[in-house]
Amino acid sequence: NAGVTQTPKFQVLKTGQSMTLQCAQDMNHNSMYWYRQDPGMGLRLIYYSASEGTTDKGEVPNGYNVSRLNKREFSLRLESAAPSQTSVYFCAIQTMTGELFFGEGSRLTVL
Amino acid sequence: GDSVTQMEGPVTLSEEAFLTINCTYTATGYPSLFWYVQYPGEGLQLLLKATKADDKGSNKGFEATYRKETTSFHLEKGSVQVSDSAVYFCALGPQGGSEKLVFGKGTKLTVNP
Repeated sequence: NAGVTQTPKFQVLKTGQSMTLQCAQDMNHNSMYWYRQDPGMGLRLIYYSASEGTTDKGEVPNGYNVSRLNKREFSLRLESAAPSQTSVYFCAIQTMTGELFFGEGSRLTVL
Repeated sequence: GDSVTQMEGPVTLSEEAFLTINCTYTATGYPSLFWYVQYPGEGLQLLLKATKADDKGSNKGFEATYRKETTSFHLEKGSVQVSDSAVYFCALGPQGGSEKLVFGKGTKLTVNP
């Protein structure tokens, strides 16, 4: 039982390149989230999806797009990467009782 | 709006010391409260939770009590171990139609042998 799986785990990009972070769950929950974590800033919500076919902006959506492809998968896309997007990205799913289960993280460096 | 305030870190303790990490919150309703832990190089994982006033959550020797009168959910452990070194996050559960949790900024704990 993998829970929440994120790929890739590490990525280095040059400014202006694009990439997609993938997240898949095998826990059959509706709500999925993308967070970024930066030193001293805690966790900040980028986008979330309450169910298949719906997405909503979080605190810091600028520079990102998301797709909720189906109930299992929720991807995060950087269209034109910037150094300010260097961060650790976490995907999470939320249970009916409000608990979050997180993936292991994707460490992105933008040069 | 809803918010969570955690004590600033980092916190450094010796093994077997008593730990308290303070957490207070502001909320319009009565949300569930959570503590998450993040070990180095890993994602966050749920440590414990409490769903209503006066509930005590506990796990792995850690405890926290939901205090409505002081709007607090302080994390405690009687005797810390080196393996408890991690970052701890207090969080407010979703409420009022919102799907989102509200996290504190995290407190880094280092336990020395």
